[in-house]
Amino acid sequence: QLQVVESGGGVVQAGRSLRLSCAVSGFSFKNFAMHWVRQAPGKGLEWVAVISYDGSNQYNADSVQGRFTISRDTSKNTLYLQVNSLRGEDTAVYYCAKDIAALGTGAFDIWGQGTMVTVSS
Amino acid sequence: DIQLTQSPSFLSASVGDRVTITCRASQGISTYLAWYQQKPGKAPKLLIYAASTLQSGVPSRFSGSGSGTDFTLTISSLQPEDFATYYCQQLNSYPLTFGGGTKVEIK
Repeated sequence: QLQVVESGGGVVQAGRSLRLSCAVSGFSFKNFAMHWVRQAPGKGLEWVAVISYDGSNQYNADSVQGRFTISRDTSKNTLYLQVNSLRGEDTAVYYCAKDIAALGTGAFDIWGQGTMVTVSS
Repeated sequence: DIQLTQSPSFLSASVGDRVTITCRASQGISTYLAWYQQKPGKAPKLLIYAASTLQSGVPSRFSGSGSGTDFTLTISSLQPEDFATYYCQQLNSYPLTFGGGTKVEIK
């Protein structure tokens, strides 16, 4: 069964850090790009970051550049998002999503249930 | 960055209606466009990719068309389970962007 499961969210003070994880199963993790997408309460979808199938390329949204880092551990079938210097506007549900392609410009066919990050002031 | 403008942002329709949602890109994106459906409290679900390719398992009443800057998602006969919010997404260049969404509600 194709599955991605996020964890690591919670309530955190502004300026602090958090590491989100996404455990995948049911498909060959090493063959596909992976993404993080977030959704603030009551708002639309915002793409956050991508990492290519082999980890050699990463791109971030401008809004998180320099603060968020995406990475992957193929041996653990796990995707990560290190989020630093958190701000109120980072409050959102964070989704992990699998790309249909290796480099990250396909579409997102498998999504997790999301993990909520709430930044308090 | 490529901006995507969806219209309408809100749509009221009845079961059985034909529904069309449009997505306009601020610059040409070939056919690097996807459509997603999202229901409250749930993750988005991929419906269409490459502008017109139906994702496996998605009912054939959903279809997509367009290229360049103008795209459409059509639901040929709206079903009760189709009431949701729909988003387009461009995958032509980074940063990837989503449209603002179209909420489809029951008339």
